Amino acid sequence: DQQVKQNSPSLSVQEGRISILNCDYTNSMFDYFLWYKKYPAEGPTFLISISSIKDKNEDGRFTVFLNKSAKHLSLHIVPSQPGDSAVYFCAASAQQGTYKYIFGTGTRLKVLA
Amino acid sequence: GAVVSQHPSRVICKSGTSVKIECRSLDFQATTMFWYRQFPKKSLMLMATSNEGSKATYEQGVEKDKFLINHASLTLSTLTVTSAHPEDSSFYICSASQRSGQQGETQYFGPGTRLLVL
Repeated sequence: DQQVKQNSPSLSVQEGRISILNCDYTNSMFDYFLWYKKYPAEGPTFLISISSIKDKNEDGRFTVFLNKSAKHLSLHIVPSQPGDSAVYFCAASAQQGTYKYIFGTGTRLKVLA
Repeated sequence: GAVVSQHPSRVICKSGTSVKIECRSLDFQATTMFWYRQFPKKSLMLMATSNEGSKATYEQGVEKDKFLINHASLTLSTLTVTSAHPEDSSFYICSASQRSGQQGETQYFGPGTRLLVL
């Protein structure tokens, strides 16, 4: 049972344009969400997070939007750069303090120069 | 800051041998460490959660006698794959959390260990 889903396995975007990566979840108890970036044969790198009390969090070129009613979150990268090419995982956790993350299956982003 | 290292980065072993993987938090004290496994083109699967000085909590379906976890100090956790078999070949990743009590603390991931069992 995949509680966190990333339905697009891959995405190609032109440099300078916006990249939108989507993530859906099924567990209404999730109250904290994160996005990680991963290069091949490396561990994931934290990008940005959002608590369920917010619907938007912005950090430089990265913005995460949360729609609790739709159980959907998205990561916007603008402008996209070739160095952004990687696999992006969304993750969710339930309850403060448990720190247990459930990861999605990842979306491979390719930014074309 | 918040650097997590893993050693070795890659290991090849014969079937039946045991392999130990180390995970260290280099610039912070990690009260909680996590071990994940990633299959090709798949998500990261949480194997177990370990807190310093106590027994690890294993996820459903993960054999605790197969995957021994020790979290002996606030900066080191080890995963030992005992009597490894080819199906244990995978990418193993650890993460660490400071757990200062604030909501939604970030986990910092190590670079991963590629295990190949022949």
